[in-house]
Amino acid sequence: GENVEQHPSTLSVQEGDSAVIKCTYSDSASNYFPWYKQELGKRPQLIIDIRSNVGEKKDQRIAVTLNKTAKHFSLHITETQPEDSAVYFCAASWGIKAAGNKLTFGGGTRVLVKP
Amino acid sequence: DAGVTQSPTHLIKTRGQQVTLRCSPKSGHDTVSWYQQALGQGPQFIFQYYEEEERQRGNFPDRFSGHQFPNYSSELNVNALLLGDSALYLCAWEVWGVTEAFFGQGTRLTVV
Repeated sequence: GENVEQHPSTLSVQEGDSAVIKCTYSDSASNYFPWYKQELGKRPQLIIDIRSNVGEKKDQRIAVTLNKTAKHFSLHITETQPEDSAVYFCAASWGIKAAGNKLTFGGGTRVLVKP
Repeated sequence: DAGVTQSPTHLIKTRGQQVTLRCSPKSGHDTVSWYQQALGQGPQFIFQYYEEEERQRGNFPDRFSGHQFPNYSSELNVNALLLGDSALYLCAWEVWGVTEAFFGQGTRLTVV
């Protein structure tokens, strides 16, 4: 089955700096890669996702890149703010038409943005 | 995300007991998946229901079973509870074949 590795496990940045989280996956059939943000005691919230036919996607201060050959994808947060402090999870899925997602998650990255 | 509700929010059970968790759908979403999230870890896929049938299953024993009703709502049942079943149980809704999964707020289960 799919296996997703996520690094680093913790990340401390100064407010305004950038944060980068990296994930690798094992199943070359995976074609959908979402990122979730989970604040303490709350639900995981989808913040951005990318499909295997796209190399990069950006939404305001967050961006995701995908390297299918190397089987890794990354989350980039620019101009970090204290409200970006949370645990971030990457996931991979063989999400095709006429099928539901079976998300395999990484172990999470705890991001702390220091004011 | 708005519209995905789970009940109860917290639950304490004794080892060996049985538990039923419930999840109501996000409007327009017909596919539900259940995940187990142990403390400090990422969610792990338990199983998925669409059209009232189990479509996919993760590496969880038969003690974990589920159901989806005609109104798309769903239940997760766990029999013979073990201490290791203590976790946050999340349901996630999506539209079949359209991706993007949205999570409920979860049920925190503690087995003592």
